[in-house]
Amino acid sequence: GQNIDQPTEMTATEGAIVQINCTYQTSGFNGLFWYQQHAGEAPTFLSYNVLDGLEEKGRFSSFLSRSKGYSYLLLKELQMKDSASYLCAGMDSNYQLIWGAGTKLIIKP
Amino acid sequence: DADVTQTPRNRITKTGKRIMLECSQTKGHDRMYWYRQDPGLGLRLIYYSFDVKDINKGEISDGYSVSRQAQAKFSLSLESAIPNQTALYFCATSDLREVNEQFFGPGTRLTVL
Repeated sequence: GQNIDQPTEMTATEGAIVQINCTYQTSGFNGLFWYQQHAGEAPTFLSYNVLDGLEEKGRFSSFLSRSKGYSYLLLKELQMKDSASYLCAGMDSNYQLIWGAGTKLIIKP
Repeated sequence: DADVTQTPRNRITKTGKRIMLECSQTKGHDRMYWYRQDPGLGLRLIYYSFDVKDINKGEISDGYSVSRQAQAKFSLSLESAIPNQTALYFCATSDLREVNEQFFGPGTRLTVL
């Protein structure tokens, strides 16, 4: 079956670094997405990885290891506005997104 | 103006009523999706459409139907609403030419009493 696993909740301190892990099992693989979702709002795109390695975009970076079925999202210099849920989604062979339940990130001052 | 819009944004209805949620997009994307989101369960796919003549069931299509009236419009209907259909509903669009990244509407919060 297809499955995405990520932690339910994480807590970090303003200014620090946090890594949110995701493991995936999909029927075929066409990439791994990370989205950010603030409470009651729509998810917004953060990153897309289809090749192994690290993609850096400002304070956010995303890593993929296809052999391990593993990805992580790294957030640096955390700000209070980064408090949100982070959704991991794998794209299967039919180009459908399989979604994780999301990781709620709580930032403390 | 928003690229993906949903109406209504909020709706409270009673068990047994027929409800229609509408989605419109100006992105020119062929692919459109309807999801529901429940606390702790993440996004679950209800129906999706790859073009006007293509409709496909998702993970949880029972109790729902859809209509793709045009490339830009995709409607979700609940023929006879029940309380466990209370959820946040999102419409999304995508285009394979844009690595199939999905763009979401603002959501419709539906409550069935």
